[in-house]
This record gives sequence, structure tokens and C-alpha cells, in this order.
Amino acid sequence: QQQVKQSPQSLIVQKGGISIINCAYENTAFDYFPWYQQFPGKGPALLIAIRPDVSEKKEGRFTISFNKSAKQFSLHIMDSQPGDSATYFCAAGNDYKLSFGAGTTVTVRA
Amino acid sequence: DGGITQSPKYLFRKEGQNVTLSCEQNLNHDAMYWYRQDPGQGLRLIYYSQIVNDFQKGDIAEGYSVSREKKESFPLTVTSAQKNPTAFYLCASSISSGHEKLFFGSGTQLSVL
Repeated sequence: QQQVKQSPQSLIVQKGGISIINCAYENTAFDYFPWYQQFPGKGPALLIAIRPDVSEKKEGRFTISFNKSAKQFSLHIMDSQPGDSATYFCAAGNDYKLSFGAGTTVTVRA
Repeated sequence: DGGITQSPKYLFRKEGQNVTLSCEQNLNHDAMYWYRQDPGQGLRLIYYSQIVNDFQKGDIAEGYSVSREKKESFPLTVTSAQKNPTAFYLCASSISSGHEKLFFGSGTQLSVL
């Protein structure tokens, strides 16, 4: 049972463009929604996270949009750069447990 | 530098063999976790430990075992009961057991010979 559904599976964007990744969750008890970035052969690293008491959080070129009523959240990467090429995972959870999405591989073309 | 060290980077298992993956952290974190990553799938929790000498099963604990005898160490044993062990294994830690801001190691790729 997949508790967090992530789309698309992959995307290609031109340098300077916007990358958008979407996630949907089922459990209304979830209260923590992070995004992790993973480069090949490495472990994921926390990119940005949001709590359900806000609808948007921005850190540099990365923005999370959160829609509590729709149980959806998304990551926007503005002015995408070749160094942003990586796999991005959304996650949702509370207490001691996170459920991860399947990941989105982003390729930024120069 | 503080961080999480996983070893080995690559590991091969023969049929019927138990293998142990090492995970050491010098971040002074209380909580540690083991995740399994398969291609095209998200990370799935195998085991987690909130304090020394205590650990709980995650979503896919069958065929795995762990120990937490020291705060900085959380080894994972993949037993012969795990029939599909080929995967990328990730160890992580967090300051406390709240699961916020997980710090991940660089992973161990386990393959079956």
C-alpha cells in the first residue's frame, strides 16, 4: 500500500526552466512533508520541508506548495540548473515514520 | 567531519549466506534507521532505533536483523531468509526519534551471486 504517490517518474527541463514535481498522500494524520535530493551513488539529502500550518515555503530556488484539503504538495524548482539534475523524493509522515514517494528523476539540459 | 559512514560500498552475497552491513555515525544522534531502495521505488523502512539497546521493525523487517549496542553503531544483517536481497541499502540518523531531518549515509549496494 503506497501512502505517498509521486509524479512524474521523470522529467527533462531546459536550463533556466521550471521543474514541478507533485505528490499526494492518504493519511490525514501526516504532519511533516519533506523533499529529499539524491545524486547517483549517494544517499538522499534534505532539501526543504513543510508543516501543514502553512501553504507555501520557499528556500532559494526551491518552493514547496501545500494543499491540505486536497492532500497534495508539490516541489517547484525555479531557474533550473544542470547541477539540479538528480532524483527527488517527497515524503510524508509523523512521529517516527516517514513514507516516501517513488522518486522523480530530473534532467536539466544546458 | 561529522557524518554517517556505511561500509562496504559494494557487497555480494552467496545463496544461504548471512551478510552484515556496517553503519557508524559521529553526529551524536539518538535515532538511527535502515532503509531499502529499489529502482523506481521509494525508500522503505526496514528497522529503526530510538535509543541504545532498543529497536523496532519497520515496514519490511522480514529477513533482516539489527543490533544497537552502541549509540554510534547500527549494523544490519541480511539473513538467508531474505529471498530478494539485491538492493541499495541506506542508513540514516536523526537528532531524536522525531524523524525530522534525516542524515543519510552513501549507501551499500548488495547483490546476489
